[in-house]
Amino acid sequence: NAGVMQNPRHLVRRRGQEARLRCSPMKGHSHVYWYRQLPEEGLKFMVYLQKENIIDESGMPKERFSAEFPKEGPSILRIQQVVRGDSAAYFCASSPARGSNQPQHFGDGTRLSIL
Amino acid sequence: SQKIEQNSEALNIQEGKTATLTCNYTNYSPAYLQWYRQDPGRGPVFLLLIRENEKEKRKERLKVTFDTTLKQSLFHITASQPADSATYLCAPSGAPGNTPLVFGKGTRLSVIA
Repeated sequence: NAGVMQNPRHLVRRRGQEARLRCSPMKGHSHVYWYRQLPEEGLKFMVYLQKENIIDESGMPKERFSAEFPKEGPSILRIQQVVRGDSAAYFCASSPARGSNQPQHFGDGTRLSIL
Repeated sequence: SQKIEQNSEALNIQEGKTATLTCNYTNYSPAYLQWYRQDPGRGPVFLLLIRENEKEKRKERLKVTFDTTLKQSLFHITASQPADSATYLCAPSGAPGNTPLVFGKGTRLSVIA
């Protein structure tokens, strides 16, 4: 049973370009969460999606960031017109059901570097 | 706003000893508390979940306590091994349906042989 798969593992972009980060949840999981982690900082929640729906985007910056989880295919975190401050590790997690009593299964992240 | 504090950024202990990590929270009344392990360059891995009505939970060499009066959870690793060296994250969480998880910054544990 494959775990949460994220790709690419490393992504380099120049300022002003777009970054697309992909996440395939564990088989049977329909709940996906995205987090951002800066060096020496904790994991910060960004967005929670359940197949085709955004449930909670309270941690998502209002501009340039968007997320989707289509009926078919992986979840995508999209960052438009990237800036240096977007450099971070972005983690995706999935769970089989909703609720704070659900353990989350994490991928190994995408490390985004902005030149 | 919710605040989570984990004791000391780094904790060094001798192999075979018991490591005790602390997670304190304020402005929060979580119904659950989860602990994760994170190795360098990897994503967090779920270890244990404890409910507010559980005082203690064990899994092999791991033990977690949850004191809602003190607003604190303790995470113990007994008979520690160098392979236990990692960063440990706590994540208090609210009532069912109230995702998302809020993580502490973590404690980096080093077990010295």
